[in-house]
Amino acid sequence: DAGVTQSPTHLIKTRGQQVTLRCSPKSGHDTVSWYQQALGQGPQFIFQYYEEEERQRGNFPDRFSGHQFPNYSSELNVNALLLGDSALYLCASSLPGSSAIYFGEGSWLTVV
Amino acid sequence: SQQGEEDPQALSIQEGENATMNCSYKTSINNLQWYRQNSGRGLVHLILIRSNEREKHSGRLRVTLDTSKKSSSLLITASRAADTASYFCATDRDGGGADGLTFGKGTHLIIQP
Repeated sequence: DAGVTQSPTHLIKTRGQQVTLRCSPKSGHDTVSWYQQALGQGPQFIFQYYEEEERQRGNFPDRFSGHQFPNYSSELNVNALLLGDSALYLCASSLPGSSAIYFGEGSWLTVV
Repeated sequence: SQQGEEDPQALSIQEGENATMNCSYKTSINNLQWYRQNSGRGLVHLILIRSNEREKHSGRLRVTLDTSKKSSSLLITASRAADTASYFCATDRDGGGADGLTFGKGTHLIIQP
């Protein structure tokens, strides 16, 4: 049973560019959440998707957007990249209302 | 914003000793969870304690929760070199809300062989 998978594992982008990160949830999970973890910090909640709609959102600007597909996989898009967007981006999946949350290995984004 | 704050920020102990980490939080919660993160990798769920529970055990892990003090502790007994990692507490706010899980900044634990 595959866990949460994310791609790519590492990428480097230039300021002002756009990036798309991808996530496949654990089998049977239909809820996907995204977190940003800056170096030396704890993860910060970006948003959560369920039934292809954004259900919850943290304190992130509109440059951060997402999408969930019918197969429950999800994308995180960040536009107009800033140096401060450099971080580990973590995807987590769960069942609705469940406290059992499974994280992927993350995508390391470096903005130069 | 970070709801939880772990204490200490860093902890170095000898293999075989017990390690205790503390977490404080600010708002009412449904539950509190502890996660482990090896350097630069994803988070591994360790244990969940609900707001109506006071203590929970899982293998070498013992978690306590004091909702009156808004604090929790994680005890790892008989530590091993493989326990070297960062440990985070995360809260699921009572009443839900738009914050998902709220994490602290973590405790970096080093087990000296």
